[in-house]
Amino acid sequence: DAKTTQPTSMDCAEGRAANLPCNHSTISGNEYVYWYRQIHSQGPQYIIHGLKNNETNEMASLIITEDRKSSTLILPHATLRDTAVYYCIVSPGANAGNMLTFGGGTRLMVKP
Amino acid sequence: DAGVIQSPRHEVTEMGQEVTLRCKPISGHNSLFWYRQTMMRGLELLIYFNNNVPIDDSGMPEDRFSAKMPNASFSTLKIQPSEPRDSAVYFCASSLALVKNEQFFGPGTRLTVL
Repeated sequence: DAKTTQPTSMDCAEGRAANLPCNHSTISGNEYVYWYRQIHSQGPQYIIHGLKNNETNEMASLIITEDRKSSTLILPHATLRDTAVYYCIVSPGANAGNMLTFGGGTRLMVKP
Repeated sequence: DAGVIQSPRHEVTEMGQEVTLRCKPISGHNSLFWYRQTMMRGLELLIYFNNNVPIDDSGMPEDRFSAKMPNASFSTLKIQPSEPRDSAVYFCASSLALVKNEQFFGPGTRLTVL
């Protein structure tokens, strides 16, 4: 799998947008960008994924640059419950046979 | 659906003892993954199964670790003999990735080996 680079930690004010960056400069053409998060003491949770187009769901938006070398996860109105470690992962293809390799992630702290 | 079920939630054992961790995936899912998480090494994939068949066990640290999936609704991860360095949180995850590789994680088993 291609490696990703994320900031170790970030802070965000409650109610503001949280923008979490991820660099994946060696991503291959068939690799998707996945985002998961892990709230303290829980298992990781899927957030969103994309290939090259921007994506939005009820949890977040994913913005992928045109060259696909970086992406940004956007939580539009962060709440205290969004405090978690956010993992950016690149995975070759969207099928069950592909593994997810978790890096260190970004520890997001949402503050009142 | 109850989600992925893991048992026990906490396990404390002494070095040298056998430990068995259990996982029930979400009904209908065809892939199952075992992960280990420690502060030092983060979240590591140990092994994964597809349709009950082990596909990749390259993450299994050594022969003391073994995993089985006798049917689509049950899997075990066994450590024999256990060592203090095996202390970690062990997560099981399952998926049915027809379109996307979305894995659903269980609550984890916190293992402490004294």
